[in-house]
Amino acid sequence: DGGITQSPKYLFRKEGQNVTLSCEQNLNHDAMYWYRQDPGQGLRLIYYSQIVNDFQKGDIAEGYSVSREKKESFPLTVTSAQKNPTAFYLCASSIDGLETQYFGPGTRLLVL
Amino acid sequence: GENVEQHPSTLSVQEGDSAVIKCTYSDSASNYFPWYKQELGKRPQLIIDIRSNVGEKKDQRIAVTLNKTAKHFSLHITETQPEDSAVYFCAARGPLWGNNRLAFGKGNQVVVIP
Repeated sequence: DGGITQSPKYLFRKEGQNVTLSCEQNLNHDAMYWYRQDPGQGLRLIYYSQIVNDFQKGDIAEGYSVSREKKESFPLTVTSAQKNPTAFYLCASSIDGLETQYFGPGTRLLVL
Repeated sequence: GENVEQHPSTLSVQEGDSAVIKCTYSDSASNYFPWYKQELGKRPQLIIDIRSNVGEKKDQRIAVTLNKTAKHFSLHITETQPEDSAVYFCAARGPLWGNNRLAFGKGNQVVVIP
């Protein structure tokens, strides 16, 4: 899991602002995922991508957008349409979507 | 989609005792069941996983058992130590829905009392 990095560690968003969370992996994994973690809620899937230039919505995609232009990168944008963005955001990857998912260190997003 | 539930939500054990956490799942076609450990403010880390063609798997003090008929799987930690204190998440993945997505339970807080 040391091959997955997320930045920044903390991110502050002003009302009406779009912010982008970075996720990079050097594991040569095809599949990448974004999860949101709230206290007592476990991990909820926002978006996932099984291959470059392709991605699918998860369970809570509203107010978020992603891109997958490169195999190693899967940035997540939290748009102004996401009215309650305060959470811990975790990126994960797996070699082919069938095997184990490994998580990045997370980004904590706070609203000013 | 798959629904995964964990019990109990919080578990306190004396150091040296065993801890058992149980997860139930709803989709009988689920075929992969990982367990993750998450310390406060850190990333979830895989500690053990099991596939549906195996009933039990062990790795030192940690074991996972799977009962496909009852649709539940359990994490067993023996000889607990203070560093085992964390939140443990179970997950299930099935082939009949959502392109190999994992469905996570809400987590169990395990507290090991020295």
